[in-house]
Amino acid sequence: EADIYQTPRYLVIGTGKKITLECSQTMGHDKMYWYQQDPGMELHLIHYSYGVNSTEKGDLSSESTVSRIRTEHFPLTLESARPSHTSQYLCASSDPGRGKSQETQYFGPGTRLLVL
Amino acid sequence: AQTVTQSQPEMSVQEAETVTLSCTYDTSESDYYLFWYKQPPSRQMILVIRQEAYKQQNATENRFSVNFQKAAKSFSLKISDSQLGDAAMYFCAYRSGVTSGSRLTFGEGTQLTVNP
Repeated sequence: EADIYQTPRYLVIGTGKKITLECSQTMGHDKMYWYQQDPGMELHLIHYSYGVNSTEKGDLSSESTVSRIRTEHFPLTLESARPSHTSQYLCASSDPGRGKSQETQYFGPGTRLLVL
Repeated sequence: AQTVTQSQPEMSVQEAETVTLSCTYDTSESDYYLFWYKQPPSRQMILVIRQEAYKQQNATENRFSVNFQKAAKSFSLKISDSQLGDAAMYFCAYRSGVTSGSRLTFGEGTQLTVNP
C-alpha cells in the first residue's frame, strides 16, 4: 500500500461546525486529489492540485475548500458543515513514474463524515 | 466529456471460478488510459490493472486480465481462479492522454461477492 494518510478516519459532527480533513503523503508526489464518494457509488473529483500553491475545482461542485502550502499536505476544509456534506472523502496522489503512461493514483483510506 | 459506465451493480462468483466485470466508456479522444481499481470493504482503493489505448495487446496481471475492445469502447476485467480476498467494489476509470493533467473519471462500480 502507498504512503498516503487521512485523518480522521471517521467524524461525526453537528451542523454549522468548521472541519478540516487532513491528507498527507510521504512520496513527494506533486499531484494530489480529493474525491467525494457516497456509499456504493462512484467517486467524483471535487478538488485537485498539481503542486504547491496550485489548486483547482474538480468535476463535482463542492462547498469545501483546499490549500496546498506544502507538497506533502493537502487539507480539505468545510467552513460550515451541513447534513448534505455527509459522505466519504478520499484523498489521492499520483506518481508520474516513467512517463504519463505509467502514472498511477494512490489512494488514502478515506474519511467517513457524518453531519447531524 | 468522457463517461464511464459499469452496467453490473453487483456480481457474484464461486471461489476458484472465473468472473468478468463489464465496463464501457465514451470518448472522442484516441489517446487515453483505462484502469480497474479495487476497493475492499473499509480498506484503501488500489490499482488492479491498467491499459494504454495505443496498445493492442490486452494487459494482464497474474489472475487479472482485461479484454480491451477499442472500437467498441469496451474494457472488461476478467478475474480467474477467484479468491475470497477478491471480494470488493471494482471501479473502472478513464484518464485522458490528450488534455493536460491526470484526472480520473470513474464508473459507478460493481460489487463483487466471492462465495466459498
